[in-house]
This record gives sequence, C-alpha cells and structure tokens, in this order.
Amino acid sequence: NAGVTQTPKFRVLKTGQSMTLLCAQDMNHEYMYWYRQDPGMGLRLIHYSVGEGTTAKGEVPDGYNVSRLKKQNFLLGLESAAPSQTSVYFCASSRPAGLATRETQYFGPGTRLLVL
Amino acid sequence: EDQVTQSPEALRLQEGESSSLNCSYTVSGLRGLFWYRQDPGKGPEFLFTLYSAGEEKEKERLKATLTKKESFLHITAPKPEDSATYLCAVLRNDGNQFYFGTGTSLTVIP
Repeated sequence: NAGVTQTPKFRVLKTGQSMTLLCAQDMNHEYMYWYRQDPGMGLRLIHYSVGEGTTAKGEVPDGYNVSRLKKQNFLLGLESAAPSQTSVYFCASSRPAGLATRETQYFGPGTRLLVL
Repeated sequence: EDQVTQSPEALRLQEGESSSLNCSYTVSGLRGLFWYRQDPGKGPEFLFTLYSAGEEKEKERLKATLTKKESFLHITAPKPEDSATYLCAVLRNDGNQFYFGTGTSLTVIP
C-alpha cells in the first residue's frame, strides 16, 4: 500500500496563475482533508470531504476549491494564486465512519508551494 | 472558540533526560485527542488517540495521558531519534474538523 500520495512535491507559481494539487489514497477511506501548514500557525483545515461527491469548508477555505469525483482522489485547486498561499499543503484521509478508530488521520508527504 | 495550545514551543533534552510535553484544549464536547509526530519535510505520523479523561496510551519511550483540560506526552529516556515536532489535535463530538496545536519542537542531544 502506498498510503496517501500527493502530486506534485514542489511547485513555483506566479501571482494569478492556477494549479491543481492531487491527493490519492489506497486505503478505501471515506474521509479526506486538505490542510495548509505555515510557521507558527500549525495545521489549518482548508476543505474536507466525508464521501465521494461531497465537500465542505474548513477553517481557511477562501481562494481554494476542491472536488471529490472519485473516492480515492481529492483535488485542491487554486484559481488565481496569491503570495499569501505560499505554504506547505498536506492531504489526509481517515477510515469509514462507524469504526472506533474512524478519526485516525493518515497524512501524505506534503506539497511545497511558492507563489511569487 | 475551540483552542489547542501546546507548550513549550521548543524543548532541548540531553539523551536520557525525561520530560513532558503539554497540550491544553478548550472545546465543547471532546470526541478525541490525537498526538502526531512530524519529521522535517514530512507529513505528520499518527502516534496516539485518547478518548476519555484518565486514559493512557504507551508506545516505546512515549506515554500519552488525558485529563478534562489537557494532555501530556511523556518521553522517558529519550534518544536522538526522538527529535521531531510533536503535534496534538482535538476532534469535537459534533464535527468532522480537527483543530491542531502549533506543536512542540523536540531536540534530543547525544
């Protein structure tokens, strides 16, 4: 099992450009999450999904969109990148609802994004 | 407002010098408290989940405990390979969102 994978690992964008970050998991998890991690701020939830075809806003959703067309994939889009979106982005997934360990999150290796 | 505060921000220990990391939280209706380890340039790695006050979990040199207002991660006789940032997070009963603290950066000196 690869677990949670993220593509790309690193990207440099110019202000106003768009891009999509891809997260894939092979653990058959229902729940998937996108976080950003900034120095001194900790991990902050951007958007999450509780199942295929569903998405919901987290703590810092502005400037981002997401889609969960397939259960194993969760895409994060930046329509018009801004320098404030320079960060490390982590995807996570967790097990189906109803199990005692549902909430255990498994994280990907991260995508480092620099917006100039 | 839900808050998770970790202390200290940074901790330097000599190899073998035991200590504790603190995670205090204010949340209405705690579903669970989670501890993660994060190495530089990598994603967080799950360590423990605690669900109720008084609960304890152990793994090698680490032991996590939970009270109604805080959790401690005790590190006994640490080794240099324990150097990492330790994160805690809380999950409310009525939600799907996790709230993370800013972490404690632990350095263990040989």
